[in-house]
Amino acid sequence: DTAVSQTPKYLVTQMGNDKSIKCEQNLGHDTMYWYKQDSKKFLKIMFSYNNKELIINETVPNRFSPKSPDKAHLNLHINSLELGDSAVYFCASSFKIGETEAFFGQGTRLTVV
Amino acid sequence: AQSVTQLGSHVSVSEGALVLLRCNYSSSVPPYLFWYVQYPNQGLQLLLKYTSAATLVKGINGFEAEFKKSETSFHLTKPSAHMSDAAEYFCAVSETGGFKTIFGAGTRLFVKA
Repeated sequence: DTAVSQTPKYLVTQMGNDKSIKCEQNLGHDTMYWYKQDSKKFLKIMFSYNNKELIINETVPNRFSPKSPDKAHLNLHINSLELGDSAVYFCASSFKIGETEAFFGQGTRLTVV
Repeated sequence: AQSVTQLGSHVSVSEGALVLLRCNYSSSVPPYLFWYVQYPNQGLQLLLKYTSAATLVKGINGFEAEFKKSETSFHLTKPSAHMSDAAEYFCAVSETGGFKTIFGAGTRLFVKA
């Protein structure tokens, strides 16, 4: 049973389109995150939710909108996709925000053409 | 604010040789420190973590790291490299009472036969 699962694994889309990535965790964690990993493997936090409440929004363009319908889910919707959005997006969860290790999903490789 | 620096974007060792991956951190309060490993096309997995208990931390797959406050370092070592250790390694830091974990730029480990 996958602890943190995200779908889809691959996403190829054209510029200007709107797309969503879904994430679910079955670990009972209170905190969930979205990270972006660029082509140089640099990992940057985008959003953090704790008990469905947005805690961190790291100067991400407002084309990116996270939604947490419940503690086990954190989805990422992206409007008007741009070439620079191409990256691998990772969902993660942790028991306690900042202080405990994060459990990562397998990633979604987004390619904007 | 916390930060983390990994020295060397690429490290190459021979199979059976010592692995040493360097990590230095900056934190205004006692830090939590983590090492993660990422295999190709996968998410990050926790190798080990330091949370203010023992300064020498043992992790999975024979890895260990030593927290040295005076040097603000948390270097990762393994006595004998195995081919399966070839991967990307990330050092990460979060602060007591903080809300986010900051990742280093990663070090790619190559293991030669």
